[in-house]
Amino acid sequence: GNSVTQMEGPVTLSEEAFLTINCTYTATGYPSLFWYVQYPGEGLQLLLKATKADDKGSNKGFEATYRKETTSFHLEKGSVQVSDSAVYFCALSVLANQAGTALIFGKGTTLSVSS
Amino acid sequence: EAQVTQNPRYLITVTGKKLTVTCSQNMNHEYMSWYRQDPGLGLRQIYYSMNVEVTDKGDVPEGYKVSRKEKRNFPLILESPSPNQTSLYFCASSLWCEEQYFGPGTRLTVT
Repeated sequence: GNSVTQMEGPVTLSEEAFLTINCTYTATGYPSLFWYVQYPGEGLQLLLKATKADDKGSNKGFEATYRKETTSFHLEKGSVQVSDSAVYFCALSVLANQAGTALIFGKGTTLSVSS
Repeated sequence: EAQVTQNPRYLITVTGKKLTVTCSQNMNHEYMSWYRQDPGLGLRQIYYSMNVEVTDKGDVPEGYKVSRKEKRNFPLILESPSPNQTSLYFCASSLWCEEQYFGPGTRLTVT
């Protein structure tokens, strides 16, 4: 079946540290891949996406590359800030059935950045 | 302002008392979906809909119903809520199953 596995948290970093959050997936066909971010007390927001192999999504200093050979979509940022503290979700979309596509999320990784 | 709204934002109810959580979007999106978020389990899809009168089950549909009579509205119905449905619920919409726009969440407690 289709699934997303992301590294367990929490991840605790100091400001300006390098961030990697691992995400691997299992899917039939050719899914689109996403990273969503949830700030405390809010709903999820799209952070970045990639729709085909070797695409790189980027936004707000975050990057992730769609790697078909390793079925991975790891999130990276070169220098984190306190304001990046949030929960990060990796997700994929797949064709489901007559109702269209379904979005499948990983369990989320909590990032805490201290100054 | 483009947005997804949910009501109520907080709800405490008792086992067996039917309730409805409303969801509305003003972006003319075809796709709408409901999720529940639980600690350690992440976000799980309950139901989704690609268009009016077209709905389908997600990963955890048991105990829930939905309807899509109009494009903008996608209510979530709990006919007989139970304590294991205590959770944080999110509604989302999109043009396709791509960039989904999420509502602010509804925190439901069933005692």
